[in-house]
Amino acid sequence: NAGVTQTPKFQVLKTGQSMTLQCAQDMNHEYMSWYRQDPGMGLRLIHYSVGAGITDQGEVPNGYNVSRSTTEDFPLRLLSAAPSQTSVYFCASNSRQTDGYTFGSGTRLTVV
Amino acid sequence: DAKTTQPNSMESNEEEPVHLPCNHSTISGTDYIHWYRQLPSQGPEYVIHGLTSNVNNRMASLAIAEDRKSSTLILHRATLRDAAVYYCILKDGWSNDMRFGAGTRLTVKP
Repeated sequence: NAGVTQTPKFQVLKTGQSMTLQCAQDMNHEYMSWYRQDPGMGLRLIHYSVGAGITDQGEVPNGYNVSRSTTEDFPLRLLSAAPSQTSVYFCASNSRQTDGYTFGSGTRLTVV
Repeated sequence: DAKTTQPNSMESNEEEPVHLPCNHSTISGTDYIHWYRQLPSQGPEYVIHGLTSNVNNRMASLAIAEDRKSSTLILHRATLRDAAVYYCILKDGWSNDMRFGAGTRLTVKP
């Protein structure tokens, strides 16, 4: 049972490039979320999903797109990378809104 | 959003109990109290959560005040591996919008 899997673990992008951060969970959880964590700070919510086909914005959604075509996958797309998007990105899932979250191990992204 | 207040840092001695406080005076009736911890260079790890009653699991205990305006995470016997940032978060049971604060950095001394 792998839990929440994020790929890649590390990525360097040039300003203006686009890319997709992958997140997959094998626990059949309905709910999934994306967070970013800047150095020395807490996590900030980017987008979340309450089920396949349903997504909503969090605290810092600008510059990111998400979609949820399957229960298992919740990719995060950076449309045009900027240095301000340099951060560690965490994906999380939970089975019910009242339950605790399971987090992935993160993707460390650097935009130069 | 209902917010929480935690001390920036705390210290503990190994093998002693640790009580991590959290104030949440604006908590609403549908807010659950969640605790997570984050070890260096790792993703957050779920610790415990509750609504009104005290909760126990293999990792910790959660004591919730009768008026629910404060709570305490209890680590019964701290180990060096418990050194982490601990986050107390209020999460509405009807929403999946969960927001982290700055947390409490726990240092465990041998």
